[in-house]
Amino acid sequence: QSALTQPPSASGSPGQSVTISCTGTSSDVGAYNYVSWYQQHPGKAPKLMIYEVSKRPSGVPDRFSGSKSGNTASLTVSGLQAEDEADYYCSSYAGSNAVVFGGGTKLTVL
Amino acid sequence: QVQLVQSGAEVKKPGASVKVSCKASGYTFTSNYMHWGRQAPGQGLEWMGIINPSGGSTSYAQKFQGRVTMTRDTSTSTVYMELSSLRSEDTAVYYCAPQFGEWSMDVWGQGTTVTVSS
Repeated sequence: QSALTQPPSASGSPGQSVTISCTGTSSDVGAYNYVSWYQQHPGKAPKLMIYEVSKRPSGVPDRFSGSKSGNTASLTVSGLQAEDEADYYCSSYAGSNAVVFGGGTKLTVL
Repeated sequence: QVQLVQSGAEVKKPGASVKVSCKASGYTFTSNYMHWGRQAPGQGLEWMGIINPSGGSTSYAQKFQGRVTMTRDTSTSTVYMELSSLRSEDTAVYYCAPQFGEWSMDVWGQGTTVTVSS
């Protein structure tokens, strides 16, 4: 299973919206609606932000949203805030009881 | 609330094995699969495998087949991840996380740092 493809970096000013892409294949992202997104601040454990493409766990602000089109999933952060600056990782079910992660995107709030 | 408490940091020599524990609380241990992942210094997340705490069945990432073993103890609500034939590239923070949705890692342990060095 090859890693999903994410841009290494993304940025936006406070209040703006930013979208991070996650590109896989027809065997993972394109085949299943089991894409998750994780936020990780430096030195901390990752935190689940989106699961099953677009569902938000309790406590995650509705500024975070997820979507998918074909083999590409996306995470959109609206109304950027300083605390949103972090690394973001996508993951997808890849069949055969396996999960694959993306390489991660460093989000900078300008 | 859901809590995952992992064992402490380990330092191992190349070729040795390490066994990391993850004690779960705040939910029904046997109702939710548990994932293991790791993160090497300055690198991204890597999925290692999953265990069904109910029956003990496992599925491992191809990369770790033959080197990783995941087990569980239902009496203590603890899962274990053992990695053998350690090499320097296995130096990483290892995490456990239960799945409450479909193929998501919903709540993460604090991480266990494993350092492989001669």
